[in-house]
Amino acid sequence: GAGVSQTPSNKVTEKGKYVELRCDPISGHTALYWYRQSLGQGPEFLIYFQGTGAADDSGLPNDRFFAVRPEGSVSTLKIQRTERGDSAVYLCASSLLASGSSTDTQYFGPGTRLTVL
Amino acid sequence: QKEVEQDPGPLSVPEGAIVSLNCTYSNSAFQYFMWYRQYSRKGPELLMYTYSSGNKEDGRFTAQVDKSSKYISLFIRDSQPSDSATYLCAMSAKYSGYSTLTFGKGTMLLVSP
Repeated sequence: GAGVSQTPSNKVTEKGKYVELRCDPISGHTALYWYRQSLGQGPEFLIYFQGTGAADDSGLPNDRFFAVRPEGSVSTLKIQRTERGDSAVYLCASSLLASGSSTDTQYFGPGTRLTVL
Repeated sequence: QKEVEQDPGPLSVPEGAIVSLNCTYSNSAFQYFMWYRQYSRKGPELLMYTYSSGNKEDGRFTAQVDKSSKYISLFIRDSQPSDSATYLCAMSAKYSGYSTLTFGKGTMLLVSP
């Protein structure tokens, strides 16, 4: 079946602009995660959704970042007043179970490469 | 000090070599240990998953965990050029029924034919 998909694959914007990044999780996966991967670094956790609600947004760097998942499937990460330091690859992952069990594997999408000029 | 330390490499080896990749961690709450492979401009792909100290083998890959030393390893036998990628270690602890991943920086592996 289809994996996690993310659109757009690349986004170039200017400092101060607003951007939206979209994630389509694997069908039936209730848990959805956003991570940010800066150049030369591992992914860093941003936010976790269980269903429609953000169960943990402790990784969001500041209030310019916001994410929604209104119907419990597709999620959108929104960044206001973008800054050059926001340039990174934004990864989305989904998992079937949110129980933290041994089989709660997170499957990653290809990411959206955001460049802020 | 970061919670998870991983040498970024690059690590260059000839085809057929045995590769050893390592991570150390400081958070005793980590219970689950994973290795992801990431090809250039792709998302991470899960290779190995383990939650206990000791070895776990899957084909050419062996994951090793030493919780007492807070040290994990991934061994790749008979390395192939197609193994050239960045290898990320990741760890998680359970929080109220879910887990988020804490990654190392990743080690870039180059296997030459």
